[in-house]
Amino acid sequence: AQKVTQAQTEISVVEKEDVTLDCVYETRDTTYYLFWYKQPPSGELVFLIRRNSFDEQNEISGRYSWNFQKSTSSFNFTITASQVVDSAVYFCALSGGPYGGATNKLIFGTGTLLAVQP
Amino acid sequence: DVKVTQSSRYLVKRTGEKVFLECVQDMDHENMFWYRQDPGLGLRLIYFSYDVKMKEKGDIPEGYSVSREKKERFSLILESASTNQTSMYLCASSPHGDNEKLFFGSGTQLSVL
Repeated sequence: AQKVTQAQTEISVVEKEDVTLDCVYETRDTTYYLFWYKQPPSGELVFLIRRNSFDEQNEISGRYSWNFQKSTSSFNFTITASQVVDSAVYFCALSGGPYGGATNKLIFGTGTLLAVQP
Repeated sequence: DVKVTQSSRYLVKRTGEKVFLECVQDMDHENMFWYRQDPGLGLRLIYFSYDVKMKEKGDIPEGYSVSREKKERFSLILESASTNQTSMYLCASSPHGDNEKLFFGSGTQLSVL
């Protein structure tokens, strides 16, 4: 079965701290995609990154970085030098197998609420 | 600016009422989705549509129906609202490519009293 686990329900940090959000997934498919979305207080989920199962290269985008490890079925997200504007709910998601493909259905984790205190 | 627009940000309805949640996208996307978001449960797929008049059940379709008469509009219908349908409802769209990202609306917080 396809599953995404975000074990951290809430994280609170002080501005400028680094923080890592964990994502562990389960799938029997060899081809799949992983995503991260950010949901600020406005409610709209904003796409952050998509990674396919054949690309294990880590990615860095400004203060954001992602560590994809197939050996541990994890796709963790790190924010360096966090800022108050990073406060949001972050969702990890998986597509593939009976999901995804041209239909682009996603399975979401339960989300991690990140609170960055000034 | 491309957008997915949900007609209401907040909605309060009574048990037994018929409720329509509307979603419009201006990106000419083939795929449209309705998710509900509940604390501790994340986002769960209710229905999706991959073309006009086409629909498929998601993971939790019970108590819901949908309508897609035009490509840009996807409606979620609660035939007889119940208190356990109190939730945040999120609409999304995507092009028909392989594992494309989804574009989301701002959500409708529905309270059923």
